[in-house]
Parts: sequence; structure tokens; C-alpha cells
Amino acid sequence: EAEVAQSPRYKITEKSQAVAFWCDPISGHATLYWYRQILGQGPELLVQFQDESVVDDSQLPKDRFSAERLKGVDSTLKIQPAELGDSAMYLCASSLGLAGHYNEQFFGPGTRLTVL
Amino acid sequence: GQQVMQIPQYQHVQEGEDFTTYCNSSTTLSNIQWYKQRPGGHPVFLIQLVKSGEVKKQKRLTFQFGEAKKNSSLHITATQTTDVGTYFCAGGAGTASKLTFGTGTRLQVTL
Repeated sequence: EAEVAQSPRYKITEKSQAVAFWCDPISGHATLYWYRQILGQGPELLVQFQDESVVDDSQLPKDRFSAERLKGVDSTLKIQPAELGDSAMYLCASSLGLAGHYNEQFFGPGTRLTVL
Repeated sequence: GQQVMQIPQYQHVQEGEDFTTYCNSSTTLSNIQWYKQRPGGHPVFLIQLVKSGEVKKQKRLTFQFGEAKKNSSLHITATQTTDVGTYFCAGGAGTASKLTFGTGTRLQVTL
């Protein structure tokens, strides 16, 4: 069964350092999502791509976060510099992305980030 | 912005008891999805509802979308220990396929 891949699974960094997360969606999925999930809360959408284009990044802290999906396949989320409050689980999800439809989202295992 | 709240935040039941979680949106939704996240795991899609008043069943799980499309519920009959986890609703409004996840209800089931 096809799965969303993410790496690394765990990342410990010091504040002010740069970190990067990678996501490989299910083959053929046009829509890719990056979420941040703080312990005990629901996932919060950071950025949504349709193919290589950003559809929504209204909740992305653009002064320190950046995301790209250059060829419309895999994606990278970067934080620079990391702050203590960035400690969370970063989840990537993908969906078929059929126009005009809300599609089932498939989530990867996530990257747990700890900022010291 | 759109807010999606769930109650209760946490519920502890004995195996065999029923469980219900309620989801309320601040805005009218075009669809609602439900996800389950096991402890230490990632959200897994359960179901999608799109029609006003829609009711769907999956074995012991019953999902309902409110008439006004601003609320939803998930009811589990005769809970089992495998039902343990956090249940999230996620609402979509508009056409951009962006979902706003609810605050979640954590279910604990003991023998």
C-alpha cells in the first residue's frame, strides 16, 4: 500500500539553528499539505500545494518558515532560525487533488522537532 | 477565521459502553471529514460527509452531518480497546480544499 514518506522522523536542534524536513507524497497525488501539530491539539495547516503552486500559506510564519515543491512531487519545509516555540510534530499529507472536491488526506508518520 | 471545536476534550469509558463526540464549526461547511489518530501515530481518514443531514455508518461507528452543515457527530456503539485514540473532525468551507481540524476528542477505553 502506497504511503507518504517523511524524513527525518526525529530532529533535535538548538534555537537559532536551521532545520529542514522532507516529504514524498503518494505517487500521483497533486495536493500536498504541511501541518504542524502541537501535543494535545489538532493539526494546523501551514501550507498547501497544488502541484508546484502554493494554494494557501496564510498560516505559515514567513519570516522564518519556507516551503517548496519545485517539480510538483516531493517537498521541503525549512525553518530558519528555529525558536523554542517551534517544537511540535510536523505532518505532511497528500491527496488526489481533484478540482472542486475535498479529497481524503493521507498522512505521513511526521517529524517530531525538539528545539532546545 | 474558521474555528472548529469538539467536545468533550477527553472521555474515559469502560469497554462495551457507547461514546459520542461532537464537532461544531463557526461557519457553514461544504464538507466534513473525520480522522482517527492512535497514540504516537498519525491521523487516518475515517469518512467524509457532504450532504445536509447525512448519516453514514461503518460497523460500530455512526457519523452524522447536521442539517445546517455547521455541526457533526461521531457515535461509537459498544466501544472496544481498539477504539482508543483521538478523533478529529475537519471541516472544509469554500472550494480550495483546505480543511480546518477540530480540537479533537481523546478516547480512553478500559476493560
